[in-house]
Amino acid sequence: GQQVMQIPQYQHVQEGEDFTTYCNSSTTLSNIQWYKQRPGGHPVFLIQLVKSGEVKKQKRLTFQFGEAKKNSSLHITATQTTDVGTYFCAGSLALIFGKGTTLSVSS
Amino acid sequence: DGGITQSPKYLFRKEGQNVTLSCEQNLNHDAMYWYRQDPGQGLRLIYYSQIVNDFQKGDIAEGYSVSREKKESFPLTVTSAQKNPTAFYLCASMGSYNEQFFGPGTRLTVL
Repeated sequence: GQQVMQIPQYQHVQEGEDFTTYCNSSTTLSNIQWYKQRPGGHPVFLIQLVKSGEVKKQKRLTFQFGEAKKNSSLHITATQTTDVGTYFCAGSLALIFGKGTTLSVSS
Repeated sequence: DGGITQSPKYLFRKEGQNVTLSCEQNLNHDAMYWYRQDPGQGLRLIYYSQIVNDFQKGDIAEGYSVSREKKESFPLTVTSAQKNPTAFYLCASMGSYNEQFFGPGTRLTVL
């Protein structure tokens, strides 16, 4: 069946460093969504990418959808302590989630 | 306030008992979902419903049952057939742009 792999599983950075998480699918995706879950909280929708090669920005966050629509990335510039949490990608309109990347930030 | 509510927040169950988790939304969304979250496993889809009186199995439906008698409500029953029910359960509904709105979750512990 379709799988969505996410790497790395964990990432620790110093505040101000950049962070990237990658999402790879075994099959072509019609769209990909990204969610953030703060510790002890529930996932919150960040963005949806639909087009091949699409790039979208939200302040310090940059999202990319690969040309083949089989991979995606989330890049955070100059991390802050408020970025702490687990970031999930999801394909097939959130029917298939990656296992997430947990980001910790030390000040 | 519009949103999704789940109750209870914490639930304890003895082995062999069925238990029902509540999920209610007032967002007027058609589609609703149930996920299970285990540490390091991400979210796994249990059941989803795209319209009232209809629902489909997700990847890990065994040992669970659902109903969708009203648009606002999508309760999940964890039956005694579920081998490892201890987990964090999340309910969600889908908005106009296909985004998922999640409830606060129910943490189920089997004693």
